[in-house]
Amino acid sequence: QSALTQSRSVSGSPGQSVTISCTGTNSDVGAYIYVSWYQHHPGKAPKLMLYEVTKRPSGVPDRFSGSKSGNTASLTISGLQAEDEADYYCCSYAGSYTLIFGGGTKLTVL
Amino acid sequence: EVQLVESGGGLVQPGGSLRLSCAASGFTFSNYWMSWVRQAPGKGLEWVASIKQHGSEKYYGDSVKGRFTISRDNAKDSLYLQMNNLRAEDTSVYYCAMFGSAWDLGYWGQGTLVTVSP
Repeated sequence: QSALTQSRSVSGSPGQSVTISCTGTNSDVGAYIYVSWYQHHPGKAPKLMLYEVTKRPSGVPDRFSGSKSGNTASLTISGLQAEDEADYYCCSYAGSYTLIFGGGTKLTVL
Repeated sequence: EVQLVESGGGLVQPGGSLRLSCAASGFTFSNYWMSWVRQAPGKGLEWVASIKQHGSEKYYGDSVKGRFTISRDNAKDSLYLQMNNLRAEDTSVYYCAMFGSAWDLGYWGQGTLVTVSP
């Protein structure tokens, strides 16, 4: 099973918005609402940012939002801040109690 | 506060074995599915295995099926990953993670590095 497809990198200036996309198939992203997004600063524990496509865990700023259309899910970060610079990974339930991750997107805040 | 602390990583030769542990605290461990996720150097995250609350059901990624075994000891609030017949491509940081309510991984440990090399 191949990883979900994410662009390798994205960048934006402080205060701007960026969108990271995550493309899967009819067997994962397209089939379930169970898409989650993780922020990963190298050397640290990954952090859950969104689950069930659009839901934010307690403590995650509302600058982070999600959506899904067909086989593609998206994470939008508005009002970019320097601390948002990190790697971002999407993840989808893929049936039969399995998960599949995206290849990751490196966000650079210019 | 939820804490997950992995241990047991290290250098092992190809074909060798290693057992990773994850000590959990700050939540009722026996109530949650748990998982292992890994990240090879310069690569993305890869789901490795998951286990149901009481260990009755276990699921594995294709790349580790038949070689790795996930287990748990709810009396010790601990999760394990027995890794056998290790290959160079298993070299990764291995993370222990707790499932949330919607197939999301709500909390992660800091990871433990496994290096498979002659």
